[in-house]
Amino acid sequence: TQLLEQSPQFLSIQEGENLTVYCNSSSVFSSLQWYRQEPGEGPVLLVTVVTGGEVKKLKRLTFQFGDARKDSSLHITAAQPGDTGLYLCAGVVNTGNQFYFGTGTSLTVIP
Amino acid sequence: KAGVTQTPRYLIKTRGQQVTLSCSPISGHRSVSWYQQTPGQGLQFLFEYFSETQRNKGNFPGRFSGRQFSNSRSEMNVSTLELGDSALYLCASSLGGLSSPLHFGNGTRLTVT
Repeated sequence: TQLLEQSPQFLSIQEGENLTVYCNSSSVFSSLQWYRQEPGEGPVLLVTVVTGGEVKKLKRLTFQFGDARKDSSLHITAAQPGDTGLYLCAGVVNTGNQFYFGTGTSLTVIP
Repeated sequence: KAGVTQTPRYLIKTRGQQVTLSCSPISGHRSVSWYQQTPGQGLQFLFEYFSETQRNKGNFPGRFSGRQFSNSRSEMNVSTLELGDSALYLCASSLGGLSSPLHFGNGTRLTVT
């Protein structure tokens, strides 16, 4: 069982559509990070959220940290082919000191 | 600033052999962590080194080991390779704080035949 479950696992959408990716856990996290990984490369950090209820925007991407710090979401507005990739959430459990990665969401945006 | 460099990019080994992977972190980063990525299991944490000491360890068998040198460069060794060890091995460096962002290399693709 993974500590961080992401849904959906796979997502294929048309250019211009909106989408939301979810990252859920039964554990409380001190912070959560979102990464995007493109084929043949390592993951690249998109954002870090620290405070429960926090919302951060990065151009067309909106990230939210749940009030209880157990979940997070990533919303993409008007998806573009350049958004294609594997999206990973990751975080450190409140009582721990190790990074855990989510199961990943593979997004394909079709032109 | 140069990014995280992993060598080699690709490796093909035979069952029973051993392999050593190398990681050069971003200058100034004292933490280096290693991950195994497979389609079925996703990103799994192997271990983390900070200032030459192993600070955290994941749930992998003792065949997987690592070390960090005084210049923060790190190596990971896998002995007695098994077919299931075929994976992308990623190294990430950071400043070392709990919420410090991880900077990943592009990985070493290991294939065990």
